[in-house]
Amino acid sequence: AQSVTQLGSHVSVSEGALVLLRCNYSSSVPPYLFWYVQYPNQGLQLLLKYTSAATLVKGINGFEAEFKKSETSFHLTKPSAHMSDAAEYFCAVSGVNAGNMLTFGGGTRLMVKP
Amino acid sequence: GAGVSQSPRYKVAKRGQDVALRCDPISGHVSLFWYQQALGQGPEFLTYFQNEAQLDKSGLPSDRFFAERPEGSVSTLKIQRTQQEDSAVYLCASSLLPGQEVRFHEQFFGPGTRLTVL
Repeated sequence: AQSVTQLGSHVSVSEGALVLLRCNYSSSVPPYLFWYVQYPNQGLQLLLKYTSAATLVKGINGFEAEFKKSETSFHLTKPSAHMSDAAEYFCAVSGVNAGNMLTFGGGTRLMVKP
Repeated sequence: GAGVSQSPRYKVAKRGQDVALRCDPISGHVSLFWYQQALGQGPEFLTYFQNEAQLDKSGLPSDRFFAERPEGSVSTLKIQRTQQEDSAVYLCASSLLPGQEVRFHEQFFGPGTRLTVL
């Protein structure tokens, strides 16, 4: 069974500061990993995906994530936070069951202070 | 349309009422998923369709939940005799095809239907 753990349900940073959102996964097979962002009253938007082509993955809006197999981690970072980054972020892993269903972490709410 | 659409966006039901939630996936997408997102939590898998076939319904919380996709495009999630614990956002997602390539694992989400059961 797959599972995803996001440490820190709330993260607060100042505008311009580094953003680090943590994600650890457990999977019996090499997974595909995703980060999604959810703005209030909206659906999930894909930020980036790990495809095994490279361990450092660049996504939209300046976000990137590094896959570390030894640590079973896929942490999301952004060098400089912007006010518009305030949202809920979800890490997810897909597998081979149920047509590639996604298993999500509990989410991390990012707050950006001016 | 260009994306996944869902209707209604908001639904308020009295306990015991039946509700029907609609999902229009991206045209041509074979795979369709329903997820339930409780307040402050991540989405949880409910059920999966490949075309019109419901291949997995292991996430449906009770037999009051029923989903269909009769023509392999639009899907409806029906909840009978709603209970307060059914209050959540119901998300629909579609993807191109099942398969091993990562492009088949990427899912596109609709805006969700927020269900409130009083």
